Amino acid sequence: AQSVTQPDIHITVSEGASLELRCNYSYGATPYLFWYVQSPGQGLQLLLKYFSGDTLVQGIKGFEAEFKRSQSSFNLRKPSVHWSDAAEYFCAVGAPNTGNQFYFGTGTSLTVIP
Amino acid sequence: GAVVSQHPSWVICKSGTSVKIECRSLDFQATTMFWYRQFPKQSLMLMATSNEGSKATYEQGVEKDKFLINHASLTLSTLTVTSAHPEDSSFYICSAKTSGRADTQYFGPGTRLTVL
Repeated sequence: AQSVTQPDIHITVSEGASLELRCNYSYGATPYLFWYVQSPGQGLQLLLKYFSGDTLVQGIKGFEAEFKRSQSSFNLRKPSVHWSDAAEYFCAVGAPNTGNQFYFGTGTSLTVIP
Repeated sequence: GAVVSQHPSWVICKSGTSVKIECRSLDFQATTMFWYRQFPKQSLMLMATSNEGSKATYEQGVEKDKFLINHASLTLSTLTVTSAHPEDSSFYICSAKTSGRADTQYFGPGTRLTVL
């Protein structure tokens, strides 16, 4: 069965520091991979996605993620964090061509300190 | 592009009443819409999947008679919480996808339901 693990429940970084949020998945083949961000009381905004091809994916707001098949990981990175990046981040896995269910990680809450 | 709206953004109702939440895809046709429930500080829990013109598929443990889902058009799905009780208070989020966008789900802003 598919599953997604985000090992870090909460991360605190200083503004301007680099960021890496971890995501590991369990799936029998290469899944579709997504990162979403959620601000308090808001819906989810798509940051980036990976379907195939180049394993380093660029997203919005300066985020990038790298798919590593050997590690079943899809970690999200940003070289310099801004205070406005404080939010909840969700990694999600979608099974190709099923058209249906996403599997979400439990989320990582990011705090940015000045 | 790929904007999904929800209405209302928040609602307070009395116990025993019914509440309808609308989910609309504004600039694309959504062949499939999803309804999620999110508890504070937790991840999203998929409640049901609806395809336009057909009955919704509910996840295990979700009462289909309590959470009525209608996907009458390619741009609108509704979730009706019938005979709401305080334990139904939650944040409800919809998402939509179309086959032309390669399995990406686009999420609405969510609806905060409080049942008194």
